[in-house]
Amino acid sequence: DGGITQSPKYLFRKEGQNVTLSCEQNLNHDAMYWYRQDPGQGLRLIYYSQIVNDFQKGDIAEGYSVSREKKESFPLTVTSAQKNPTAFYLCASSTGQGKVWNEQYFGPGTRLTVT
Amino acid sequence: LAKTTQPISMDSYEGQEVNITCSHNNIATNDYITWYQQFPSQGPRFIIQGYKTKVTNEVASLFIPADRKSSTLSLPRVSLSDTAVYYCLVGDPLAASKLTFGTGTRLQVTL
Repeated sequence: DGGITQSPKYLFRKEGQNVTLSCEQNLNHDAMYWYRQDPGQGLRLIYYSQIVNDFQKGDIAEGYSVSREKKESFPLTVTSAQKNPTAFYLCASSTGQGKVWNEQYFGPGTRLTVT
Repeated sequence: LAKTTQPISMDSYEGQEVNITCSHNNIATNDYITWYQQFPSQGPRFIIQGYKTKVTNEVASLFIPADRKSSTLSLPRVSLSDTAVYYCLVGDPLAASKLTFGTGTRLQVTL
């Protein structure tokens, strides 16, 4: 089965700790994305990567970091500098070419709670 | 990316046709219109995409008038399982590699 996996589904951390969220895809997609969603809100882009070893900040990158060492993987680290880290985090991928770029495939999400 | 405006919420009865309109007055020449569906605690799912006139697939139809300043997602004969949030996005697939999701339209289908 091709798709995107995110783990874990639920994650709990103490304030002040860094935490890394996993995202893996086997769709052979070039582009990958991280979004954050707060209750009742739309998705906000954190970071995106169009190719391996390259990534760009989205609208709310402060307090987050990413890496793209492999095409299949795009982990997101929520650092202690992120003031309100509790949220639902969604990873997505797309071919990054032509109009199909608009069709992003999303993972099941990770719900992070920081106390 | 073009800004979009959608109704915050809509209600429908099962079996009815639902039309959700999205306004995008400053749509650019190269922009496409894309709709996504999201169920609670899940990632959004692509529904349909179009550039002009009408596009239809097994799930929905997308109507885009000649001036392209708005678009309408049409869901035929909705069921309870169509209860979800629907997002309208507008963007040029060749100019950027990110999407902007607004707050979407929350559709509630009841018996």
